[in-house]
Amino acid sequence: EIVLTQSPGTLSLSPGERATLSCRASQSVSNSYLAWYQQKPGQAPRLLIYGASNRATGIPDRFRGSGSGTDFTLTISRLDPEDFAVYYCQHYGSSPPGFTFGPGTKVDIK
Amino acid sequence: EVQLVESGGGLVKPGGSLRLSCAASGFTFTNAWMSWVRQAPGKGLEWVGHIKSRTDGGTTDSAAPVKGRFTISRDDSQNTLYLQINSLRTEDTAVYYCTKVAVAGNGYYFYGLDVWGQGTTVTVSS
Repeated sequence: EIVLTQSPGTLSLSPGERATLSCRASQSVSNSYLAWYQQKPGQAPRLLIYGASNRATGIPDRFRGSGSGTDFTLTISRLDPEDFAVYYCQHYGSSPPGFTFGPGTKVDIK
Repeated sequence: EVQLVESGGGLVKPGGSLRLSCAASGFTFTNAWMSWVRQAPGKGLEWVGHIKSRTDGGTTDSAAPVKGRFTISRDDSQNTLYLQINSLRTEDTAVYYCTKVAVAGNGYYFYGLDVWGQGTTVTVSS
């Protein structure tokens, strides 16, 4: 079973700064099955990235996903005030079948 | 408009049961894989289980903590997803989200959980 670890747990930054979030898998996974989500307080999560690097519909290009194997990164090039939220990585596996989420990284205002 | 609307949450005593519903609109429900994800208070996201489209076999898979207690089903004629939860425990207290799973090729291609409902709250307490 794949275990996802995210770091840091909390990232304190100012608007306009660059955010770099890490997601590490316990074993090598296919890029095709790695996604990222954003969740703001009191709201449902929103899909940001699928296939490790593909932005979902309507997602601004300041969000970029990258990585392969066991190490994946979500980069927010210039933080907008609306980007302060919790970010989760997620893997879809077929053996055993299911969806695994990382514990999340909170990006808060410094 | 693509939309998922959950209902059926509430306060239940340990050992009790609930059935959650999720009404889907704005997309072809029959062709969609659907899943349930939950979030305990102040915690992260936890996959509960999913059900494939009838075309892809209509089978279900569940996370280990809920296997045998939770059952996912769907009524394609009503565009509705269900989660039957039995033998509730205090650790099942959470917001339960219904999500659409964007896949193709019977899961060979995965495009994320692309639509989420607003969630329904289940509280298990005596």
